[in-house]
Amino acid sequence: DAGVIQSPRHEVTEMGQEVTLRCKPISGHNSLFWYRQTMMRGLELLIYFNNNVPIDDSGMPEDRFSAKMPNASFSTLKIQPSEPRDSAVYFCASSFRGMNTEAFFGQGTRLTVV
Amino acid sequence: AQKVTQAQTEISVVEKEDVTLDCVYETRDTTYYLFWYKQPPSGELVFLIRRNSFDEQNEISGRYSWNFQKSTSSFNFTITASQVVDSAVYFCALSGTSGSRLTFGEGTQLTVNP
Repeated sequence: DAGVIQSPRHEVTEMGQEVTLRCKPISGHNSLFWYRQTMMRGLELLIYFNNNVPIDDSGMPEDRFSAKMPNASFSTLKIQPSEPRDSAVYFCASSFRGMNTEAFFGQGTRLTVV
Repeated sequence: AQKVTQAQTEISVVEKEDVTLDCVYETRDTTYYLFWYKQPPSGELVFLIRRNSFDEQNEISGRYSWNFQKSTSSFNFTITASQVVDSAVYFCALSGTSGSRLTFGEGTQLTVNP
């Protein structure tokens, strides 16, 4: 059974460019999460979807960040325009139901904005 | 508000030693869930255990054991007879009642030396 699949694994982009990160959750999971991990701030929840609907996006840093989940098997996190401070590892995770069940994480996308 | 504290930033042990990773949490919820995740050098987060606030029974899984004590708001993790492959960052996390986000501690970097 495939786990959470993220692409790309690594992304290097220039400041000002648009970046799109992609995620395929585990089939049958109703909840999807986007996290960002940095040395300074640790693991931060950016946004949480339940049944494809955004439930909590209070962690999205600013308007440059947007996330969509058009269907149960696909989500994107977009940064436009990107800035060097966006450099981090971005994780997508899915769970059977909400925050209180175990989340399964993808391998992450390491984003470097130069 | 909820908070997770992992006071040990780094721990270094020699193989076959037992090691305990501390986790202290704060929450106002009466129903909550505690988690441990492992992040090996490869980067992905791996789910280890989930406990709810009504189940204080300690759990053992192979060389891993968890000690949940509501009286001290702690959920400590012990690895018995540590191995080099246990080297990773370990995160404790907490989620509360519906709608509450999953809060991660800052992680403990465990290094097991041969």
